[in-house]
Amino acid sequence: AQRVTQPEKLLSVFKGAPVELKCNYSYSGSPELFWYVQYSRQRLQLLLRHISRESIKGFTADLNKGETSFHLKKPFAQEEDSAMYYCAPGLSTDKLIFGTGTRLQVFP
Amino acid sequence: DGGITQSPKYLFRKEGQNVTLSCEQNLNHDAMYWYRQDPGQGLRLIYYSQIVNDFQKGDIAEGYSVSREKKESFPLTVTSAQKNPTAFYLCASKLQGNTGELFFGEGSRLTVL
Repeated sequence: AQRVTQPEKLLSVFKGAPVELKCNYSYSGSPELFWYVQYSRQRLQLLLRHISRESIKGFTADLNKGETSFHLKKPFAQEEDSAMYYCAPGLSTDKLIFGTGTRLQVFP
Repeated sequence: DGGITQSPKYLFRKEGQNVTLSCEQNLNHDAMYWYRQDPGQGLRLIYYSQIVNDFQKGDIAEGYSVSREKKESFPLTVTSAQKNPTAFYLCASKLQGNTGELFFGEGSRLTVL
């Protein structure tokens, strides 16, 4: 069965510190992987997808097939990064499952 | 304005009553989804539909029902059989075959009294 694990419910850092939000997945096949973000009082929205190999708002995420991980990283956290982050690997593009989410708090 | 509209934003229901949450999109998206969001449990898929007049159960479909009579509409009924209906419900849509980007509504918060 598909499974997505985000081990940290809450991650607290100070502004300027590096951030790594962990995501591990388990199922066969080649997944398409996404990170979604929900800022306070805003809709859940796509942050980035691994297929694009892009950096959005300073965040990057590398797919590690050997470790079945898709960790989200940013070298220097900003206060406006405080939000709820969801990892979403999909077995296919038609059924997206989500991790349990990690709340990131960035203190000034 | 293009997007997904969920209504109502807040809903109160007595035990034993069915309630229907509305989800409408004008993005011309093929696929639509319903998720339930609970603290500490993330988003869990209830139902999804890839085309009109067809839908599939997600991971927690028991106690819920849906219909997809029109491309732009995907209402969710929370029935009295749902044992823990108090939750935040999110509707989403995407283009079929698109690389997975979901567009979400603002959500509906259901409270059972």
